[in-house]
Amino acid sequence: GDQVEQSPSALSLHEGTGSALRCNFTTTMRAVQWFRKNSRGSLINLFYLASGTKENGRLKSAFDSKERYSTLHIRDAQLEDSGTYFCAAESSNTNKVVFGTGTRLQVLP
Amino acid sequence: AQTIHQWPVAEIKAVGSPLSLGCTIKGKSSPNLYWYWQATGGTLQQLFYSITVGQVESVVQLNLSASRPKDDQFILSTEKLLLSHSGFYLCAWRDYNYAEQFFGPGTRLTVL
Repeated sequence: GDQVEQSPSALSLHEGTGSALRCNFTTTMRAVQWFRKNSRGSLINLFYLASGTKENGRLKSAFDSKERYSTLHIRDAQLEDSGTYFCAAESSNTNKVVFGTGTRLQVLP
Repeated sequence: AQTIHQWPVAEIKAVGSPLSLGCTIKGKSSPNLYWYWQATGGTLQQLFYSITVGQVESVVQLNLSASRPKDDQFILSTEKLLLSHSGFYLCAWRDYNYAEQFFGPGTRLTVL
């Protein structure tokens, strides 16, 4: 069935550096959404992509349906970027949405 | 602007007792509505979705049911809670099938 493999599960960055989170899909997905978890456990929208790339400030995301992956790049990381990030992909054939297992990001001074 | 509200904020219930969780969306007509659940330490799972009033599709069987009695309301319920129902329940909406989802604040359920 549709599955999403998110990596890494945890990531530590020093302030000012950057890295990438990745989600691989076992089947063709029609869109992907990236979220950050807030302090209460709900989800803050970062990006929604049906194809290509999007950028917002220090965050940039890409989605390749054919190659079955999406990435979230963080550059110039700040302490307030710490938190848990999730991807969620929509199946091409159904209304099903499948979430990744999350990446816990810690930004260090 | 659209707002999404979930109730209650948190609930502690006994095994075997009934449950009703609610979700309301204001400022948007005919939204697509979704229920998600995350067990402690687990992955978010989609439970139900609804495209229109009175129609609900099940994605995962967890001995739960959902209903959409009004255009702006989505209800999650069960007559008998299980320990395994504990977790965090999130409601979400979006304009149509190919659009980003927006999540509510969530309900934390503890079943004892």
